[in-house]
Amino acid sequence: DIQMTQSPSSVSASVGDRVTITCRASQTVTIYLNWYQQKPGRAPKLLVSATSTLQSGVPSRFSGSRSETDFTLTISSLQPEDFATYYCQQSYSTPWTFGQGTKVEI
Amino acid sequence: EVQLVESGGALVQPGGSLRLTCAVSGFTFSIYEMNWVRQVPGKGLEWLSYINSGSTTIYYADSVKGRFTISRDNAKNALYLQLHSLRVDDTGLYYCARGIRDSDAFDVWGQGTMVTVSS
Repeated sequence: DIQMTQSPSSVSASVGDRVTITCRASQTVTIYLNWYQQKPGRAPKLLVSATSTLQSGVPSRFSGSRSETDFTLTISSLQPEDFATYYCQQSYSTPWTFGQGTKVEI
Repeated sequence: EVQLVESGGALVQPGGSLRLTCAVSGFTFSIYEMNWVRQVPGKGLEWLSYINSGSTTIYYADSVKGRFTISRDNAKNALYLQLHSLRVDDTGLYYCARGIRDSDAFDVWGQGTMVTVSS
């Protein structure tokens, strides 16, 4: 199975900050890395698919990038509604696996 | 409006069985891949199972293989997950999620149905 390791596990930030979350795959997943946002009591929401494809309606302050097996989700200017937990997920090979999550806190 | 609504979650004893249903509306269900994903409250996400549009390709996580069965009825716009031989560690919130064909990302999620396995 492909292991996905996110860092950090939590980050404290302020409105307006640039926040970067990293996800490392234990082996190649090519571009098949997706990012989700989850708020308490809510289902996950897909933000970015296939490394860098922003989903419809997702603000442009979110972006994704890749360097080999290292993937990054960047929030360029943190907004109040962005405080949540973020998960990466590889969809390159089954079993599809998620990272353990990164909680973005005030 | 695109909507996925799960039901069927319950409190069940170890060794018991349940059938979860995901009722779909607002899109052409028959052309989409579908998945089940589990989350223990306060913990992370675990993908469980996948089924393609025609039910010809099915995958399972090792943790549920042989115990859970995914199926779908395109005429009824419904996805199912049959759970057998339930264990305490199967406790969690079960989501159905629509798959994007090109990337296999999960672009639409239901609100989840809670399964609690306890004696």
